Amino acid sequence: GDSVTQMEGPVTLSEEAFLTINCTYTATGYPSLFWYVQYPGEGLQLLLKATKADDKGSNKGFEATYRKETTSFHLEKGSVQVSDSAVYFCALSDGSSNTGKLIFGQGTTLQVKP
Amino acid sequence: GAGVSQSPSNKVTEKGKDVELRCDPISGHTALYWYRQSLGQGLEFLIYFQGNSAPDKSGLPSDRFSAERTGGSVSTLTIQRTQQEDSAVYLCASSLAGRPGQYFGPGTRLLVL
Repeated sequence: GDSVTQMEGPVTLSEEAFLTINCTYTATGYPSLFWYVQYPGEGLQLLLKATKADDKGSNKGFEATYRKETTSFHLEKGSVQVSDSAVYFCALSDGSSNTGKLIFGQGTTLQVKP
Repeated sequence: GAGVSQSPSNKVTEKGKDVELRCDPISGHTALYWYRQSLGQGLEFLIYFQGNSAPDKSGLPSDRFSAERTGGSVSTLTIQRTQQEDSAVYLCASSLAGRPGQYFGPGTRLLVL
């Protein structure tokens, strides 16, 4: 079945460092891809999305490009801030079932130190 | 506008008791989903509603779990005869039919003693 694999965390960076969180997927059909973020003590928030190959999703300085040839959707940010400390989840919508249900990676914890 | 709301925010119950968790989706969102977030299993899909019908119940872990949705709006997830392994955060999400991207509620944290 469909699956998502994320790099294991925690990822610890200094403020203003460059961030990459790797995400690869296995899917039948043509899924949409998402990054969700969970700040401490809060619920899941949609960070960005891409619905077809070569689409780039972007929001709040974060971006990710839907790469069908490498089945990847890596999250990047040029300069992280302490406020970016959170858990980041890569997800895909099940492209074969037409329900839109999400399949999530295990999550990657990001800690940004001042 | 109002987001997805869930109640209660926290629930502590004794093993063997039944619990009901409520979700109020964003107005106009016809698609509604329940997920479970636990330390050992990550985020798992439970059930999907389109309107009042549930065409995908494939994620429900056992027949102790059931859910319904009425009026195309509020949904209730019921867990009967709770077990300690049911302890988790139960998340509800909603979306417009056919539109990618779901909006999540704050979750209900369930602890079974």
